[in-house]
Amino acid sequence: EVQLVESGGGLVQPGGSLRLSCAASGFTFSSYGINWVRQAPGKGLEWISYISHTSSTTYYADSVKDRFTISRDNAKNSLWLQMDSLRDEDTAVYYCARDSLAAPTAFDSWGQGILVTVSS
Amino acid sequence: SYVLTQPPSWSVAPGQTARIPCGGNNIGSKSVQWYQQKSGQAPVLVVYEDSDRPSGIPERFSGSNSGNTAILTVSRVEAGDEADYYCQVWDSSSDHAVFGGGTKLNVL
Repeated sequence: EVQLVESGGGLVQPGGSLRLSCAASGFTFSSYGINWVRQAPGKGLEWISYISHTSSTTYYADSVKDRFTISRDNAKNSLWLQMDSLRDEDTAVYYCARDSLAAPTAFDSWGQGILVTVSS
Repeated sequence: SYVLTQPPSWSVAPGQTARIPCGGNNIGSKSVQWYQQKSGQAPVLVVYEDSDRPSGIPERFSGSNSGNTAILTVSRVEAGDEADYYCQVWDSSSDHAVFGGGTKLNVL
């Protein structure tokens, strides 16, 4: 069974940092691109970052560029999102989502999400 | 940046057909995905590449895409289909994934 499990969320002050983790199991992690998608309370989905299966390519939404860093370790079946200079508007549930091999622009498996709250 | 536009809500009676639109400039030239998100749960992919269904998704869910509008069709709507539905594309000009604002499907 494909599983993606996020961890590392919590309450952080504005300007602070947090590192999210996504642990993968049940599939060959090293073959898949992975994304981070977030959802502010009561709002819609917002894609924020992508990393290719070899880590050679990364993309970021303008809203997080130069503040967030995506990385992965295929030997550990793990993905991370380093979040720096956090703002109130970064408060959201953060999901990791796997690219589909059949359709690489589709996200075919999602984690359960982890809540990040930025507040003083 | 590329924008996808969805109506905030859509209502349908049980057993009827819901056709949920997603508008975008020349969206017919892009590959469109649709996700279902029930309250308190993670999104689930229900249609990819305009009209294909992942395994396990009922045939009642289908999609089409042409011109400036993509459509998710939910046939024989059931109470359990009540959820938020999001369209999504990959914008190759910016190398960003883009989601529509979401449509809440209300089953009357």
